[in-house]
Amino acid sequence: DQQVKQNSPSLSVQEGRISILNCDYTNSMFDYFLWYKKYPAEGPTFLISISSIKDKNEDGRFTVFLNKSAKHLSLHIVPSQPGDSAVYFCAAINTGGFKTIFGAGTRLFVKA
Amino acid sequence: DAGITQSPRHKVTETGTPVTLRCHQTENHRYMYWYRQDPGHGLRLIHYSYGVKDTDKGEVSDGYSVSRSKTEDFLLTLESATSSQTSVYFCAIRGTTDTQYFGPGTRLTVL
Repeated sequence: DQQVKQNSPSLSVQEGRISILNCDYTNSMFDYFLWYKKYPAEGPTFLISISSIKDKNEDGRFTVFLNKSAKHLSLHIVPSQPGDSAVYFCAAINTGGFKTIFGAGTRLFVKA
Repeated sequence: DAGITQSPRHKVTETGTPVTLRCHQTENHRYMYWYRQDPGHGLRLIHYSYGVKDTDKGEVSDGYSVSRSKTEDFLLTLESATSSQTSVYFCAIRGTTDTQYFGPGTRLTVL
């Protein structure tokens, strides 16, 4: 039972354009959401997060949008750069618990 | 940099042998986690710890055990390694917020 789903295994985008990565969740108790970025042979690194009391959080080129009614979040990268090519994991937390639930990841390719 | 190291970084072993992976943190965080990463599955929680000698199972704990005798060290043991345990293993800590920070990973191959 996947509580956090990233339905696109991969995404290819031209440099300078927008990358949109999507994530859906099923557990309405999740109240904190995160995106992680992972390069080959490295550990995942935290990218950006959003609390369920917000619908948008922005950090430079990265913006996360949360639609609670649809149980959907998305990560926008504008403009996309070749260095953004990595695997992106969506994650969700019920802040009353200890665990973070991760999606399967989306591999982003940014073409120069 | 969350001050997390993992050892070894790479290991090749044979089916049936015991294997212990070590996670070490320098920042005295209470919560520590072990995950495995496999294609198509993302990061799956094996075990976690919420204090010294306090551990609990995650979603894929069969075949694994853990120990935490000191705040800074969290050990993952495969009592008798199987080929299905070939994976990349990541340790993580939870900081003062709910965000987890990951170590560099251990690539384990079981032949």
